[in-house]
Amino acid sequence: QVQLQESGPGLVKPSGTLSLTCAVSGDSISRSSWWTWVRQPPGKGLEWIGEISHSGTTNYNPSVKSRVTISLDKSKNQFSLDLTSVIAADTAVYYCAKDATSSGKWYFDYWGQGILVTVSS
Amino acid sequence: EFVLTQSPGTLSLSPGERATLSCRASQSADSKYLTWYQQKPGQAPRLLIYGASSRATGIPDRFTGSGSGTDFTLTISGLEPEDFALYYCQQYGNSVWTFGQGTKVEI
Repeated sequence: QVQLQESGPGLVKPSGTLSLTCAVSGDSISRSSWWTWVRQPPGKGLEWIGEISHSGTTNYNPSVKSRVTISLDKSKNQFSLDLTSVIAADTAVYYCAKDATSSGKWYFDYWGQGILVTVSS
Repeated sequence: EFVLTQSPGTLSLSPGERATLSCRASQSADSKYLTWYQQKPGQAPRLLIYGASSRATGIPDRFTGSGSGTDFTLTISGLEPEDFALYYCQQYGNSVWTFGQGTKVEI
């Protein structure tokens, strides 16, 4: 059973950098698939932030592309999110998820429980 | 920019009734990327339907996905108490994943 667990600070100051890690168990991030970050502002919908492949290729949402970096740490079987120059609108529950494919169809099959990050001074 | 519009915003129904949720794409979508998720308060989204019509492992057959092109539908036949939740559709295009704004199914 694949499990994902987000970790990181729950409070970040405006203009600072939001840094989160997603620890993966039950699968190897080096072996295959893509690994994703999604966020959800309080009371609002889901927003895809970006993803990274097992080989390190990244895709980012244009809405945050200039501020975001997603990276792999294969030695720890985890991947990370860095979001710079944060503002109050970046306050959200941040989820990590695993992309999956079956018969050419793609979807997110496993999700972490989510971590609330608040941007405030 | 790829936009997914879900309707209605809220669906008020009773247990046992049929729910029909719509997801409309701003441009023709590849069905193999059209996904539906269920989300309950305080929980992560849960995969329901992928590839527009394939049910995920463990999902009851009262959940049915259909559609192609720009119009997709999630049907829940015979609502159970645990089905009252938020539902999101998702699509991939131009290297970007996009979610609809969600439909709330409430009692």
